[in-house]
Amino acid sequence: QVQLQQSGPGLVKPSETLSLTCSDSLRSTRTYSWSWIRHPAGKGLEWIGRMYRTTSPHYNPSLKGRVAMSFDTSKNQFSLRVMSVTAADTAVYYCARCDTYNYDTGSYYCEYWGQGTLVTVSS
Amino acid sequence: QSVLTQPPSVSGAPGQRVTISCTGSSSNIGAGFDVYWYQQFPGTAPKLLIYGNTHRPSGVPDRFSGSQSGASASLAITGLQAEDEAVYYCQSHDSSLSLLFGGGTKLTVL
Repeated sequence: QVQLQQSGPGLVKPSETLSLTCSDSLRSTRTYSWSWIRHPAGKGLEWIGRMYRTTSPHYNPSLKGRVAMSFDTSKNQFSLRVMSVTAADTAVYYCARCDTYNYDTGSYYCEYWGQGTLVTVSS
Repeated sequence: QSVLTQPPSVSGAPGQRVTISCTGSSSNIGAGFDVYWYQQFPGTAPKLLIYGNTHRPSGVPDRFSGSQSGASASLAITGLQAEDEAVYYCQSHDSSLSLLFGGGTKLTVL
């Protein structure tokens, strides 16, 4: 069973950098991709970005320039950094393992999710 | 403002059938990108309910079904149960393969 364990601070000061890590306990194969998704209170889900282990990340254009994702294959960990955070970045952040369903279009879904990390941006 | 439009809320009595719509455009669902549905309970991560428009992962009851036509999709729940009360999200893509979510629909079981 896939288990995704998230870690990282729950409180970040404005203008600083939010950093989260997601560990895959079962060392999923390279066919899977990894996404970060966040859920602000009272709002809907927002996709942050996606990457495979060895490819360049693809980011949500609305966050591009402030977001960085990486994969440490030696530790089997997937990481997120969001720079220059503001109160608008306060949300529950999820990592998720995603799988391609339609290889013609590239359409994919995320079946396995981490437990979620509430990150509050406040001084 | 979500690119995929869902009704904010739907409701139904136990045993009834409800449907949740997800309306996109020619840039996403209408362009042939598949639709997926997730169920989310408060304080928990979303759970995949439907993939590839109509398919259920193992363990999802057959009371849940998905359909897609043109630029829209629907999730139907038959034999409504109290435990179905949750928020439901549709998901698709645009041509850049950005992952798009609907705004979510809160299902209330009366």
